This record gives sequence, structure tokens and C-alpha cells, in this order.
Amino acid sequence: QQQVKQSPQSLIVQKGGIPIINCAYENTAFDYFPWYQQFPGKGPALLIAIRPDVSEKKEGRFTISFNKSAKQFSLHIMDSQPGDSATYFCAASTYKAAGNKLTFGGGTRVLVKP
Amino acid sequence: NAGVTQTPKFQVLKTGQSMTLQCAQDMNHNSMYWYRQDPGMGLRLIYYSASEGTTDKGEVPNGYNVSRLNKREFSLRLESAAPSQTSVYFCASMRGDGGTSGANVLTFGAGSRLTVL
Repeated sequence: QQQVKQSPQSLIVQKGGIPIINCAYENTAFDYFPWYQQFPGKGPALLIAIRPDVSEKKEGRFTISFNKSAKQFSLHIMDSQPGDSATYFCAASTYKAAGNKLTFGGGTRVLVKP
Repeated sequence: NAGVTQTPKFQVLKTGQSMTLQCAQDMNHNSMYWYRQDPGMGLRLIYYSASEGTTDKGEVPNGYNVSRLNKREFSLRLESAAPSQTSVYFCASMRGDGGTSGANVLTFGAGSRLTVL
């Protein structure tokens, strides 16, 4: 069973548009929610992360919105650029010292057209 | 600073053959992980090692074994490969020292693409 459900599977937007990716989790013990970005032929890399003590976090053009009561979080890419074309994964875990196991969503392939 | 290095990058096996994927990190990280990536399934954890000397099963451990050789190296072995193990495998490491800054960030290798015929 997939503990983190991610949607949509793919997304096409024009340059300047705002792709939105949604994730829902089941385990109420999760308290760490990162997003990873993966370019073709590369390993994923951390993009941005949030803890449940805040409802929103911004880093540059990337924003995470977090709704603890709904057990949902989302990624918005403001003013999207062709260079943002990549696969995005949400993830969740409990935040602990060692052996932290991230559970990943299924991924969203984003294409930003020029 | 190489980060996480995986070998080989590509491998083709026949059903029933065995092989070992090698992984090494040079960041003095405590925790290491093996994930597999399949279309639509995201990244699924196969095995992990919270610290040197320990290993634990993840979500999809069947058909795999691991060895944490030392703090730097974590290998994944397929004893008798099956077509269902055709996938892209990623090794990752995490500082995992409980610190507040970056302790839970996974650093991934570039991946190993395995095809089992």
C-alpha cells in the first residue's frame, strides 16, 4: 500500500504558468515533508522541505503549502521556466536521528513549454 | 567531493544470474539506503542501514540482500535475478546525526539501470 499518494502523474504548462502538485499521507506520525526534484539520468535531489509547525514555506519560486488536518501538502512552482521540467517527488517521514525512512509518492513529471 | 558513487551504471543479466551493486559515499554520513525506481511507483525502499553495523528491511526487500561493509560502503546483492527486478536502483545516504540543519537530507547517487532478461 502506498502511504503517500501523489497527483497528477504528469503536468504540462506554458512558461510562466504555475504547476501544482498534490500529495496526501495517511500516517499521522509523519512530521517531515520534503520534495525532491529529478532530472533525466540523474538521482533525485532535495528541493524544499517543511515541518508541520508551519503552513507554508517558500524558497525562491518554489512554495510548499501544508494542511495538517487534511493530511495534505502541495508544491507550487511560481513563474515556471523550461529549466523546471523534471520529475518531482513528495515524501514523508518521522524526523529522527538515524535511519530516517522516507516514504515517497509516485512522482509527477512536469513539462514547462517555452 | 564525489558524494555518492554507484557502480555499475548499466547491467544486463539473464534470469537466475547474480550480481552486486556497489555504493560508496565520502560525506561521512551515518545512514545509507537502497531504493528502486519504477514508472508510476516512485521510489521504493529496499533496505537501509541506520548506522555502521546495522541493516534493516524496507518496503520491498524480497530477492535482495545487503552488506554495510564499513561506514562508507553499502552493497546490494541480487542472488538470483528475476525479470521483476528490472529497474533503476538508487543508493542514497543521510547524515542522520539528529542535527537540525540538513540531518535528514538524502543525497542520491546517479543510479544503476538493471535489465533482467
